[in-house]
Amino acid sequence: EAGVAQSPRYKIIEKRQSVAFWCNPISGHATLYWYQQILGQGPKLLIQFQNNGVVDDSQLPKDRFSAERLKGVDSTLKIQPAKLEDSAVYLCASSLVAGWDEQYFGPGTRLTVT
Amino acid sequence: KNQVEQSPQSLIILEGKNCTLQCNYTVSPFSNLRWYKQDTGRGPVSLTIMTFSENTKSNGRYTATLDADTKQSSLHITASQLSDSASYICVVSHRQAGTALIFGKGTTLSVSS
Repeated sequence: EAGVAQSPRYKIIEKRQSVAFWCNPISGHATLYWYQQILGQGPKLLIQFQNNGVVDDSQLPKDRFSAERLKGVDSTLKIQPAKLEDSAVYLCASSLVAGWDEQYFGPGTRLTVT
Repeated sequence: KNQVEQSPQSLIILEGKNCTLQCNYTVSPFSNLRWYKQDTGRGPVSLTIMTFSENTKSNGRYTATLDADTKQSSLHITASQLSDSASYICVVSHRQAGTALIFGKGTTLSVSS
């Protein structure tokens, strides 16, 4: 089966600019996650969707980050405006149903904010 | 506080040697523990998943152990290969519906020839 797809793979922007990332989960997976992974750290959950509803966004900096999952399939994560500390890899993952099911990760988008 | 601590932070071994990575956690109630391998520039890939009732789980040259009483896990890699060079992340799942996984910071393994 096809894996989790993400684009772009790399993005370089200046601080205060906006950026958007796209994720296409594995077909049939109801749960979708966005993680932020800073260099040398483990992934940190930003937001979790169950179909098109938000299950957990407690660690999402809502003043600058937003995410949506229209129609319960693809998802986009947006940062506006970006700060230097947003430089990280943004990972998208999906799982079949529940929060503790096996999660399958995409390759990530490496964001550099200058 | 629910935490996952891994050691060592980094490790260098010669090809063909064995190594063991450690994971201690304070997550409670505990649902399952996973080990992921993350190659540079890639997303994490699951190696093993163990519930609290399992003591060991193997996946080829990778063997994970779990002691739920002491809240410790280890990942043993046998006869290491150059392709084993990666970050190994211990992840613990909290036993509540919809709760996210708790990730360790990972151990960076470098296998040299």
